[in-house]
Amino acid sequence: RKEVEQDPGPFNVPEGATVAFNCTYSNSASQSFFWYRQDCRKEPKLLMSVYSSGNEDGRFTAQLNRASQYISLLIRDSKLSDSATYLCVVVPRGSGAGSYQLTFGKGTKLSVIP
Amino acid sequence: DTAVSQTPKYLVTQMGNDKSIKCEQNLGHDTMYWYKQDSKKFLKIMFSYNNKELIINETVPNRFSPKSPDKAHLNLHINSLELGDSAVYFCASSPETYTEKLFFGSGTQLSVL
Repeated sequence: RKEVEQDPGPFNVPEGATVAFNCTYSNSASQSFFWYRQDCRKEPKLLMSVYSSGNEDGRFTAQLNRASQYISLLIRDSKLSDSATYLCVVVPRGSGAGSYQLTFGKGTKLSVIP
Repeated sequence: DTAVSQTPKYLVTQMGNDKSIKCEQNLGHDTMYWYKQDSKKFLKIMFSYNNKELIINETVPNRFSPKSPDKAHLNLHINSLELGDSAVYFCASSPETYTEKLFFGSGTQLSVL
């Protein structure tokens, strides 16, 4: 099983739709979780952190389910500008310098269609 | 006023050649990284430096050698290039080591023919 798995998509949704992505991770001791966004042929950028209690940033909601080892990202009222690849990022638990390593999923591609 | 800049943006070269990719950040960050994104789109860390000191060295061939002349620069030198080295290489920096806030450069598309 890969460390971080995501449905690659693509998810093609109309403007205004609500779309959700899931990501599963294999290391139950993982300590931190994030979503990054990568536009086509561009660099990844941090979108938001994921907390156990769930967190919201505008139209974006991230949730963590430790028992089932998955995190999710919900996008409401999709905009054309949301079209991108969304990368799930997990930080395994470790110790010592260099232990805080980000493990990236392959990403889920979202295309928002007019 | 690019935060993390890397050059060149595209690099096309023959197998067996030696090439370098340069990276500079003007954010005053202490930590810099090299990541590789292969054709399957996995983004994997290769190296991490903190204040010019190597702190992460993942399992990469020793043909890859990072060099950090100062904390604002982290260059990547690759010897004897192979077909499998073709990928996008991203430089990144962060204000500290234990953080998710990575600032990536725009990437270098390396194609080995």
